[in-house]
Amino acid sequence: QVQLQESGPGLVKPSQTLSLTCTVSGGSINNDYWSWIRLHPQRGLEWIGYILDDGRTYYSPSLRSRVTMSRDTSKNQFSLKLNSVTAADTAIYYCARDACTRCYHPFYFYMDVWGKGTTVTVSS
Amino acid sequence: DIQLTQSPSFLSASVGDRVTIYCRASQGISNNVAWYQQKQEKAPDLLIYAASTLQSGVPPRFSGSGSGTEFTLTISSLQPDDFATYYCQQYDTYSGYTFGQGTKVEIK
Repeated sequence: QVQLQESGPGLVKPSQTLSLTCTVSGGSINNDYWSWIRLHPQRGLEWIGYILDDGRTYYSPSLRSRVTMSRDTSKNQFSLKLNSVTAADTAIYYCARDACTRCYHPFYFYMDVWGKGTTVTVSS
Repeated sequence: DIQLTQSPSFLSASVGDRVTIYCRASQGISNNVAWYQQKQEKAPDLLIYAASTLQSGVPPRFSGSGSGTEFTLTISSLQPDDFATYYCQQYDTYSGYTFGQGTKVEIK
């Protein structure tokens, strides 16, 4: 059974870079697609981006200029960096596994396994 | 970008009630909709994908329907464990995932 666990600092100063890691157990990051999502207070869920099984990345257009995702296959981990953070980036951050009912263009994706989430607060 | 609009935003219901949550897409998306349940701020749980396919392990009182622009999530008989926030979600190649704004189901 695939399990995901987020880790990283819970407090980041404004203008600095938020860095999180998701550790995957029970499966390989080489076999699936993997997303980052965040839950804003009062605003709901927002998708940040995903990293494919071959390492390619796709980001939300609204965050593309500030996001970098990467992976470490030796540790079965993938990571998120979000730079120039502001208070608006305060949220609970989740990693998740992507699944598809139509796995060719146009793709039909959903997320079937989620990590428990980690709270990140942006404050000086 | 494709937008998803859920209604209602809040729903007050009693145990045993039949509950329906609506999700409207700003343009046709075939059956490319999933539904999630989130309790407090814990990880969302997948309930339904491909508009009407029940995820393994999800109780059969949950069902989904719809195609094109109109989708529904129905709970046939609301249980105490079902009080939560529910989100619909779609994916398109150009802008990625989009979520509805959520429907919070509260105890009447």
